[in-house]
Amino acid sequence: KQEVTQIPAALSVPEGENLVLNCSFTDSAIYNLQWFRQDPGKGLTSLLLIQSSQREQTSGRLNASLDKSSGRSTLYIAASQPGDSATYLCAVQGNTPLVFGKGTRLSVIA
Amino acid sequence: KAGVTQTPRYLIKTRGQQVTLSCSPISGHRSVSWYQQTPGQGLQFLFEYFSETQRNKGNFPGRFSGRQFSNSRSEMNVSTLELGDSALYLCASSLGQGFPTDTQYFGPGTRLTVL
Repeated sequence: KQEVTQIPAALSVPEGENLVLNCSFTDSAIYNLQWFRQDPGKGLTSLLLIQSSQREQTSGRLNASLDKSSGRSTLYIAASQPGDSATYLCAVQGNTPLVFGKGTRLSVIA
Repeated sequence: KAGVTQTPRYLIKTRGQQVTLSCSPISGHRSVSWYQQTPGQGLQFLFEYFSETQRNKGNFPGRFSGRQFSNSRSEMNVSTLELGDSALYLCASSLGQGFPTDTQYFGPGTRLTVL
């Protein structure tokens, strides 16, 4: 059974810092991995999707990497801003519905 | 193109009651999946409907049920509500190609509070 773990559960950083969020999964037989953003009480916004054949994806200040063999992904956020404050979820896709981690709650302090 | 819509956005019910939540997918999408999000368990898959048929099911009791209409709109029903059913219920729509190729697009969710 696929399990997804995100560390840390919460993170607080000053504005302007670069930061890394971690995601690990137990079964490397995945099709893709997605990073989502969730604002309090709201739905999910897809940030980046990495296919299993890819090593990384970039969108603006965000860069996500995937090491399928070791079951790890990282989300790098450059020059963090208060507007980046949210919960970040990773989810893996295999031949099953999406399996989500419990998220990292990020606070960027101005 | 309009996104996934869910109604109502907020609901308050008491234990023992039943509730129906609605999800309208993106135009052209034929698959709707439902997820429950709680602080303790995180996001968990409930079920998926495609062409009015349940195609996949998560590990939830029979009190949770759903259906899909010919226009792909979906409803989720929870009977005999328990306090532990308080959660954010998210629906996601996709073209319907099936796992793993489908990309899911999430709605804003319905916040259910059971008192």
